[in-house]
Amino acid sequence: RKEVEQDPGPFNVPEGATVAFNCTYSNSASQSFFWYRQDCRKEPKLLMSVYSSGNEDGRFTAQLNRASQYISLLIRDSKLSDSATYLCVVRSGGFKTIFGAGTRLFVKA
Amino acid sequence: SQTIHQWPATLVQPVGSPLSLECTVEGTSNPNLYWYRQAAGRGLQLLFYSVGIGQISSEVPQNLSASRPQDRQFILSSKKLLLSDSGFYLCAWSGNRNNQETQYFGPGTRLLVL
Repeated sequence: RKEVEQDPGPFNVPEGATVAFNCTYSNSASQSFFWYRQDCRKEPKLLMSVYSSGNEDGRFTAQLNRASQYISLLIRDSKLSDSATYLCVVRSGGFKTIFGAGTRLFVKA
Repeated sequence: SQTIHQWPATLVQPVGSPLSLECTVEGTSNPNLYWYRQAAGRGLQLLFYSVGIGQISSEVPQNLSASRPQDRQFILSSKKLLLSDSGFYLCAWSGNRNNQETQYFGPGTRLLVL
């Protein structure tokens, strides 16, 4: 089992749609969680950290479920500019950082 | 504000040739520094990290090495490249107040070994 697993997609959605991504992790001792966005042939950029109580940033909502060991990202009112690959990132103790392979999202007009 | 630079942006090298990729950070001191590799269609793999000058930790065995000759400079090297070394190499930095801080990435170097 991979340490961090994501549905690779692609997710093809129309503009204005709501889309949700899930990510599961295997290490119950994981301490920090993030979502990054990566555009084609570019570096990953931090989208948002994921806090235990859940957090929202505009159209983006992140949730953490420690009991089930998964995190989620919800995007509301999708824009064409949201098209990208979304990376789930999990940090355990020390400097061990595990990136998921990413979920590709295509938002179409 | 902090910025992170990598060069070259792209590189085509023959098998068996040496490699040197450079990463520098501006606007911060004593950052934690990281080298990652992303193979086509795959997730990022942590190769090395450094918490200070001359301090390098390797995450995976390979024919690559890293050095940190200055506080804000991180270098990835190889004496002899393999075909499997092709990929997108990303340098990242984070603050050093604790090891949970967010990592920020440079623009990356795309390496093709032929």
